[in-house]
Amino acid sequence: SQQGEEDPQALSIQEGENATMNCSYKTSINNLQWYRQNSGRGLVHLILIRSNEREKHSGRLRVTLDTSKKSSSLLITASRAADTASYFCATDRSNFNKFYFGSGTKLNVKP
Amino acid sequence: NAGVTQTPKFQVLKTGQSMTLQCAQDMNHEYMSWYRQDPGMGLRLIHYSVGAGITDQGEVPNGYNVSRSTTEDFPLRLLSAAPSQTSVYFCASRVGYEQYFGPGTRLTVT
Repeated sequence: SQQGEEDPQALSIQEGENATMNCSYKTSINNLQWYRQNSGRGLVHLILIRSNEREKHSGRLRVTLDTSKKSSSLLITASRAADTASYFCATDRSNFNKFYFGSGTKLNVKP
Repeated sequence: NAGVTQTPKFQVLKTGQSMTLQCAQDMNHEYMSWYRQDPGMGLRLIHYSVGAGITDQGEVPNGYNVSRSTTEDFPLRLLSAAPSQTSVYFCASRVGYEQYFGPGTRLTVT
């Protein structure tokens, strides 16, 4: 079964707006990562947040983690058409070698 | 660096046929893995390897075999293809927690 579930499944915004997507998971984790997948391509790693961290920034990306609610959010500020992609969260549990991906949020940024 | 490469890009198989999906990386990563991605779903881990000679099962290993004789290569074998194995297959290698993905192989089993 999927460890993570993203919400919303699809999101359509105008260029320049902020995009927020959420990830919920079921069991305790060590780390949570976000990946981007452009249509027809492999996934690209965006950012990692550890279970003892609450917030992390990287460029226009801001990730938060609430372990009490078993949820994370990814905020993309000042979105661009090039941000159009699917975004996935991935978690690992006690086994650092197994990663569980959510079903993804499909983001469409209109120019 | 070529990164992670996968061949073929596309493949059509008949039910019962066998084939090997190739994956290679030139980054000297010890960890490699195979995932499948079905429409509207995230990736599910099939098998992974933490180094040459060491492999283990992921979430959905049935119907697939792997071996790891070198650091660079991690082939995935479908023993007897079934329509349920129609999917896009991604290979990845990893350093730390960051995974590097190949471009994928789109497999259709008729």
